[in-house]
Parts: sequence; structure tokens; C-alpha cells
Amino acid sequence: GAVVSQHPSRVICKSGTSVKIECRSLDFQATTMFWYRQFPKQSLMLMATSNEGSKATYEQGVEKDKFLINHASLTLSTLTVTSAHPEDSSFYICSARRVGQSLAGSYNEQFFGPGTRLTVL
Amino acid sequence: TQLLEQSPQFLSIQEGENLTVYCNSSSVFSSLQWYRQEPGEGPVLLVTVVTGGEVKKLKRLTFQFGDARKDSSLHITAAQPGDTGLYLCAGAGGFKTIFGAGTRLFVKA
Repeated sequence: GAVVSQHPSRVICKSGTSVKIECRSLDFQATTMFWYRQFPKQSLMLMATSNEGSKATYEQGVEKDKFLINHASLTLSTLTVTSAHPEDSSFYICSARRVGQSLAGSYNEQFFGPGTRLTVL
Repeated sequence: TQLLEQSPQFLSIQEGENLTVYCNSSSVFSSLQWYRQEPGEGPVLLVTVVTGGEVKKLKRLTFQFGDARKDSSLHITAAQPGDTGLYLCAGAGGFKTIFGAGTRLFVKA
């Protein structure tokens, strides 16, 4: 299978501080990773697409200066929440894209990390 | 805008009952994934279907991809409390992956 790790799993910080979350694909290379935010009892909300060696692509309404994304290698993407505030408290999940092959051609799959619970006091 | 409509949004059933979750779209997908997510954890990939008309079975779970690759269903036979969770479908086409809103399943013992 494909394994994606995420660290830390849980973080509590004071308002105004910055928090870095790491996402690693452990057994495959991922040129593309994704960062999601999930509110209680809701589905996933895509924040940004992280591309190895280039700038991230942010979804509409997501502040790129607040949520800094770096994808420095084929197995690591980081999300830094800068100057965190209580409204940034949420469950953040990353995923890594893997390309599979079938008789019909190639297809994309996403494998998710276990998530990071961020609480900003 | 691509949409992937998932239904029902919420399902509460007794242990032993059967259920079906549907995902429908007007878009054609090159593949479709089904995930299950438990509280406080990331979604776990259950299956990927890629061929129109494809049927895959995973123990008591049966996944079907529509002939036109626009829709999919997940059928659970004899549901158990351990099946409780959030089920998500995701359609992949080109570079984008579209997620359904999710089906929250609760199986009562």
C-alpha cells in the first residue's frame, strides 16, 4: 500500500505564533500533494495543491501568506500556519497523489495522512 | 463546475441491515475512489475503480462504477457497528479530484 505520514498529530499553540505541519509519502514519490482543512462533521475542504519544485496553487479564499506551503522534495510537503489565531483551529489533512496504471490508461489516487489537530489558544 | 453528489448524507441503521451509498455526477471520471474516515483520523482508501461497469468486492462491501464512468455506488451487506464512519467518494479526472460531501453512517448494535 501507499503510506502517508503527518507530523505532528496534535498541536496547541498561542495566538500569534506559527505552526509547521509536515506531510511525508513514505513508500512512493509524490510530485503533487494536497492540503485540506476539515471542520467538524463536514467533508474535506481543499486549501491548496502543493507541487514539488514550484509554487503551490491555492484555492479561492485561502490566504497564501497565511498558509505557507513548501514542497522541497518528492516525499515532503510542509504547511506553515503563520500568526495563528483561534479561528485557524481545525483539523488539517494532507494527501499525496500517486499515479496508477490500468489497461484503460493512467489514473490518479490520493492517499491521506492521519491529520493534524491544531488548537490555537 | 464539476460536482459529485453523494447520497444519503446521513444514515442510521441497525446491525445486520444492508445499505447503499450513491455518488453521481454529470462529469466523466478516469477513476473513482471510495474512502472511509473515522473521527480524528485521515480518510483511508477502500477501493479505486477505473473501468466503466467495474465491480469490486471487499468482504461485505461491493463497489460499482457506472458504465459511463459518471457514477458509483457502495453497497454494504449485513452492516456491523465497526462500519460506522464517514464514507467519501472522490472522482478523479485530469488533474483535479472532486470529493463528494460524504455519507455519515451509524450502525447500531
